[in-house]
Amino acid sequence: EAGVTQFPSHSVIEKGQTVTLRCDPISGHDNLYWYRRVMGKEIKFLLHFVKESKQDESGMPNNRFLAERTGGTYSTLKVQPAELEDSGVYFCASSQARAEGYTFGSGTRLTVV
Amino acid sequence: GNSVTQMEGPVTLSEEAFLTINCTYTATGYPSLFWYVQYPGEGLQLLLKATKADDKGSNKGFEATYRKETTSFHLEKGSVQVSDSAVYFCALNRNTGNQFYFGTGTSLTVIP
Repeated sequence: EAGVTQFPSHSVIEKGQTVTLRCDPISGHDNLYWYRRVMGKEIKFLLHFVKESKQDESGMPNNRFLAERTGGTYSTLKVQPAELEDSGVYFCASSQARAEGYTFGSGTRLTVV
Repeated sequence: GNSVTQMEGPVTLSEEAFLTINCTYTATGYPSLFWYVQYPGEGLQLLLKATKADDKGSNKGFEATYRKETTSFHLEKGSVQVSDSAVYFCALNRNTGNQFYFGTGTSLTVIP
């Protein structure tokens, strides 16, 4: 079974540019989550999709971040325009329904310069 | 609120040394507790978990016991190996939603 796939693995962009991160969950997993780890800090929840619907987006930092999950399959997280403080590692995870079934991707390291 | 506090790193140990990484939590209700590990270049992997007080999670020689009285879930291993070098994250999940609350991570380097 393929795991959770994220790409790109690394992205370096200039402040003010736009970046789109993609996550392909495990096939059949209705739940998809985005998390972020800013350098040296805790991994923080951003949002949760159930199929194509946003179940909880309480962790989204501001309106420069837009997440979509068209058709309930893969998801994208767009940052526009990017700021320096957006640098960090963005993790995606998917699950069927229970917490112990969570599978994380390897993350996208975003650097805004 | 819900939060996890874990021991700051980095931690450097010699092979076969004893490892303890402290983790304490604050949570409403009765959360499940987890340790995740991130090896270099890889994603977060579940290392072990405990779902109720006094439960002990164990895997790959690592252990952690859910202590409700001290709100702790310390990770231990009796004899670390070079291959254990990774970043370790303590986390909780309240079971009423699927959101995890993570600690800041502890980087472990084991030297031969």
